[in-house]
Amino acid sequence: ILNVEQSPQSLHVQEGDSTNFTCSFPSSNFYALHWYRWETAKSPEALFVMTLNGDEKKKGRISATLNTKEGYSYLYIKGSQPEDSATYLCAFETSGSRLTFGEGTQLTVNP
Amino acid sequence: GAGVSQSPRYKVAKRGRDVALRCDSISGHVTLYWYRQTLGQGSEVLTYSQSDAQRDKSGRPSGRFSAERPERSVSTLKIQRTEQGDSAVYLCASSSFSHTEAFFGQGTRLTVV
Repeated sequence: ILNVEQSPQSLHVQEGDSTNFTCSFPSSNFYALHWYRWETAKSPEALFVMTLNGDEKKKGRISATLNTKEGYSYLYIKGSQPEDSATYLCAFETSGSRLTFGEGTQLTVNP
Repeated sequence: GAGVSQSPRYKVAKRGRDVALRCDSISGHVTLYWYRQTLGQGSEVLTYSQSDAQRDKSGRPSGRFSAERPERSVSTLKIQRTEQGDSAVYLCASSSFSHTEAFFGQGTRLTVV
């Protein structure tokens, strides 16, 4: 069983704060690292799929970095807004397009 | 179809009964997952299958969970002898190729009473 760990499990921040979470994964047999945002009552939606060591991706105020050698990825949110409140899932992709998900970080942004 | 759809959206089952949840994935997608999120226990992949219909490569094999894929874009998750701990949101997701995002259905919320 592959171990994908996310921290923290939950996070409460004030509107305007910047925040970041961590996803750690096995450093062997790596194909890709995915980040998803799961808002309440909606389906999880993909934020990023990263494949190369050192990759950095950005979408608006959200960005992510990838270190495949040491097996971690960071997700950053700059100037958090209440609409950023969601569970953020990372998933490690290995051979055969198989995804192993972490348990998620639940972010609450207070106005 | 435009995306992944699941039915029913909500299901209440009596403990000990069998339930079946349906997923219609995106045509052409090769890999399909069933995944659940439980309050207090986090998330886990239940099954995943690739293009071969009828083949189920279980993520975390459990005797009570099985998935059938009678057509490439249709999957049914079967839970036998439901337990209260099976109460969760069950998500189906599919993807086309490696290194591409998975697309999720809206989920089925199962409550076992």
